[in-house]
Amino acid sequence: QKEVEQDPGPLSVPEGAIVSLNCTYSNSAFQYFMWYRQYSRKGPELLMYTYSSGNKEDGRFTAQVDKSSKYISLFIRDSQPSDSATYLCAIPASGGSYIPTFGRGTSLIVHP
Amino acid sequence: DSGVTQTPKHLITATGQRVTLRCSPRSGDLSVYWYQQSLDQGLQFLIQYYNGEERAKGNILERFSAQQFPDLHSELNLSSLELGDSALYFCASSSDLTGEAFFGQGTRLTVV
Repeated sequence: QKEVEQDPGPLSVPEGAIVSLNCTYSNSAFQYFMWYRQYSRKGPELLMYTYSSGNKEDGRFTAQVDKSSKYISLFIRDSQPSDSATYLCAIPASGGSYIPTFGRGTSLIVHP
Repeated sequence: DSGVTQTPKHLITATGQRVTLRCSPRSGDLSVYWYQQSLDQGLQFLIQYYNGEERAKGNILERFSAQQFPDLHSELNLSSLELGDSALYFCASSSDLTGEAFFGQGTRLTVV
């Protein structure tokens, strides 16, 4: 089983919609989680860093962690065409190395 | 701008050749990671250096090697190149070992 799983999409939504992006992970020992945004042919950009369970909000973005279900989510409110990108969740690898281990990414398309 | 600089941005080379990719981490970051991203594999961790020492290895081929120099910049050497090595190669850096990594814009390698 992969350490982090993510539906590749694509997910297509109209401008202004609320977007929900999700990942599942396998190791319940993980203590923090990250979301990256990657525009086409660019480097991944750190979007959110969530250290504990619950919600973390940053502008239109909210990261949510449910440790009991091993489920992490990223919500985007009032989505814009400029949000069209691939969103990758990342967790620190198990075994003490803490290497960011990425899901395959979900491609999001926000159409005007 | 993440503060991580990668050169060159693009590289086209022939099979069997050797290339060197260069990365300058963010100022003050001691940890450097190298990742490979191809369409069918997502972001795959290759190797990590921390303050000049190899810290962790991922799915790195024996034909590939890396090092981190005293000024903390890093180089990834790819030799005996094959068509399948064509991919985006990313460098990321973090201040410590706990995984909040910042990525460069990548080097796009095309092997012909």
